[in-house]
Amino acid sequence: QQPVQSPQAVILREGEDAVINCSSSKALYSVHWYRQKHGEAPVFLMILLKGGEQKGHDKISASFNEKKQQSSLYLTASQLSYSGTYFCVRYNKLIFGAGTRLAVHP
Amino acid sequence: EPEVTQTPSHQVTQMGQEVILRCVPISNHLYFYWYRQILGQKVEFLVSFYNNEISEKSEIFDDQFSVERPDGSNFTLKIRSTKLEDSAMYFCAQTRDRGSTGELFFGEGSRLTVL
Repeated sequence: QQPVQSPQAVILREGEDAVINCSSSKALYSVHWYRQKHGEAPVFLMILLKGGEQKGHDKISASFNEKKQQSSLYLTASQLSYSGTYFCVRYNKLIFGAGTRLAVHP
Repeated sequence: EPEVTQTPSHQVTQMGQEVILRCVPISNHLYFYWYRQILGQKVEFLVSFYNNEISEKSEIFDDQFSVERPDGSNFTLKIRSTKLEDSAMYFCAQTRDRGSTGELFFGEGSRLTVL
């Protein structure tokens, strides 16, 4: 089953912060986050594992609540390059959420 | 950063024709995935493949789809009799480690247009 993401879309000014949430009705063994720019392939941002281990992007942080089966991606001091669609991905089967469209304007 | 190569980048075909999409694996990446993305929509899991066998597949991956590594190198997705609704971007992805810990490396995608 597909993880649920919120919000569906976010519009920011450069420098503003945003939080993207992801939840699952099924147990989350790990959560992956990817960003896709228009016309391109998804690109890896982070993996969050049970027990608190994280692997990924230096300038993006995320949290993973195993009990609540939720994850959040924190984008701080947003830059124009952050624009794109953000996907959380549930393991197993590596099922993508529906995505959150983020637009950062000058 | 490792690169995943997909061919063709774009294919136009007539409904009912067979299509083969290819993916050149990264050395020592053992887990393969195919995803589909209809324009502007979500990324849909099709199938995962490990050790020359399908590990998981979705409801979308019906009898018209098949995957294989025919020569032990390239990883292929075959659509036997294409339908209009098969028009989409198809992404190959690979990981070195199992999915729970392994970063997915995506190819640039193969755009399939069925007329």
